[in-house]
Amino acid sequence: TQLLEQSPQFLSIQEGENLTVYCNSSSVFSSLQWYRQEPGEGPVLLVTVVTGGEVKKLKRLTFQFGDARKDSSLHITAAQPGDTGLYLCAGGSQGNLIFGKGTKLSVKP
Amino acid sequence: ETGVTQTPRHLVMGMTNKKSLKCEQHLGHNAMYWYKQSAKKPLELMFVYSLEERVENNSVPSRFSPECPNSSHLFLHLHTLQPEDSALYLCASSQDPRVGRGGTQYFGPGTRLTVL
Repeated sequence: TQLLEQSPQFLSIQEGENLTVYCNSSSVFSSLQWYRQEPGEGPVLLVTVVTGGEVKKLKRLTFQFGDARKDSSLHITAAQPGDTGLYLCAGGSQGNLIFGKGTKLSVKP
Repeated sequence: ETGVTQTPRHLVMGMTNKKSLKCEQHLGHNAMYWYKQSAKKPLELMFVYSLEERVENNSVPSRFSPECPNSSHLFLHLHTLQPEDSALYLCASSQDPRVGRGGTQYFGPGTRLTVL
């Protein structure tokens, strides 16, 4: 069974701090996606990475796909209250997406 | 607004009721999905439809019955549910099942279901 482990499970920080969340697996994925989900809403896609070692930047968010395509990280610089939400990673495998449980981020003003 | 809408947004039903969840996508996609999101669990894939044919059923109990009349609409018919079925039910769609499955999926806002 393929699993994606996300850590930490919960993270509460002050506005302006930096943070990194992780998504790890023992399995190789053809692609990896990061989503953010706000309360009462569905997940919204942030980025898709497909190449081992790939780094993508989206304003203050930096996403990295591990060289072996088994893990990924999301780094947020100078977090803002608007970054609050559940961050989900999902690995593409055999035609479906495998989701992690998510990291619940709270950024306090 | 992701181009995927779901109704109703909230639903409370008794164990003997029959209800249906509706999903509509306006993205021109040809694959649609039902997921279940419970507290403390990863999103669980329930059903996949590709070109209006069901291609996956992940051991979902028969009290959940999907229907895909065309590539833009997806329903989840519910009957004799249990309290443990209370969850957020999410619909998603993607482009081209040969590429979209495992690729970019666009989610609706979900239906929050409570079974009493």
